[in-house]
Amino acid sequence: DTEVTQTPKHLVMGMTNKKSLKCEQHMGHRAMYWYKQKAKKPPELMFVYSYEKLSINESVPSRFSPECPNSSLLNLHLHALQPEDSALYLCASSQAATGSGEQYFGPGTRLTVT
Amino acid sequence: AQTVTQSQPEMSVQEAETVTLSCTYDTSESNYYLFWYKQPPSRQMILVIRQEAYKQQNATENRFSVNFQKAAKSFSLKISDSQLGDTAMYFCAFSRTGNQFYFGTGTSLTVIP
Repeated sequence: DTEVTQTPKHLVMGMTNKKSLKCEQHMGHRAMYWYKQKAKKPPELMFVYSYEKLSINESVPSRFSPECPNSSLLNLHLHALQPEDSALYLCASSQAATGSGEQYFGPGTRLTVT
Repeated sequence: AQTVTQSQPEMSVQEAETVTLSCTYDTSESNYYLFWYKQPPSRQMILVIRQEAYKQQNATENRFSVNFQKAAKSFSLKISDSQLGDTAMYFCAFSRTGNQFYFGTGTSLTVIP
């Protein structure tokens, strides 16, 4: 099973809402990632979790709050977002952040902030 | 800092023909990994091919092959016998041991019937 799943597929939220994105993998990977992707642009790294600990935060605004409850799950909590936060949010996993193996990407959550 | 450059924002190729996408990178590291990812329109990003810098032999995966020139820091992707399903954004990516990916800006490839 080389699948990374993400829910929901689409999300529309107002600037005062609180919502969460969910990512799951069952490949035994110990590194998980959140990316933000705008149309026709490469993914921009937001957060890296290694062995359930936050190892990289790319200066992401505090309105984005990641959480890694266990080695298979990754959440991204959203609060008081801005319209410019509308994007495709991708989750990825790899065997370990200390390795150099390929990352497996989920299908993404298309987020629209109104 | 690592940088990855894809100088061709858009390309097109006739079905069944061969096309080459270019990628150059800049690093002072000697051990690293290079990847090509494919992202079809509104679909999932998937790994096309992977190259380890310490391996001199160019990686191949069916119709996809790379030309890895370590001294020139070049990593091009050749797609043979192009198919309509190859239409996608292609991202070149660099990874060094113990750290995250660095992506190029992408090449939008259209396969024309």
